[in-house]
Amino acid sequence: DAEITQSPRHKITETGRQVTLACHQTWNHNNMFWYRQDLGHGLRLIHYSYGVHDTNKGEVSDGYSVSRSNTEDLPLTLESAASSQTSVYFCASSSGGTDYNEQFFGPGTRLTVL
Amino acid sequence: GQQLNQSPQSMFIQEGEDVSMNCTSSSIFNTWLWYKQEPGEGPVLLIALYKAGELTSNGRLTAQFGITRKDSFLNISASIPSDVGIYFCAGLRGQFYFGTGTSLTVIP
Repeated sequence: DAEITQSPRHKITETGRQVTLACHQTWNHNNMFWYRQDLGHGLRLIHYSYGVHDTNKGEVSDGYSVSRSNTEDLPLTLESAASSQTSVYFCASSSGGTDYNEQFFGPGTRLTVL
Repeated sequence: GQQLNQSPQSMFIQEGEDVSMNCTSSSIFNTWLWYKQEPGEGPVLLIALYKAGELTSNGRLTAQFGITRKDSFLNISASIPSDVGIYFCAGLRGQFYFGTGTSLTVIP
């Protein structure tokens, strides 16, 4: 069955360190997304990609970057981790078609920045 | 960013009762999705709606795409303890926008 996987599931890091969160999908979807979920804010879009080599900023993109070198993967990098980036991060993908455009989520990565 | 207005915020119900929740917006959406999220897990897609007025069921869950395309509704019939979780809606208009979630507690 097609799925989205994220790794690691839990990460503790220190302020100032670079961190990369992995996301891999086997849906063969064109569109991939990164969200963060915080109490009181719900899901907020960080970055998204509509295809290989395409990346776009979401509403909370400062301090984050992504690159898309193939269809399956969209790693999220925190250039210099800050305590404000402690959160749960979800990767998602969708077909991007005009019809039946469903979005599926990964299991999440809980990141703690000390 | 824009979030959808979802109500109620939380519900405490007895096992066997029916549940209703809704999402509203001032904007028109092309697709409505309903998700369930359990602690420590990612959101799981329950129902997808693509046309105004559409009524779709998934077991004891039924969702409707509002006629105005500005709202959607989710009903759960005969609730059971495993229905516990946070339910939220998502609307597609260019990008996905999300509801603030309804926390459901089912008392056995």
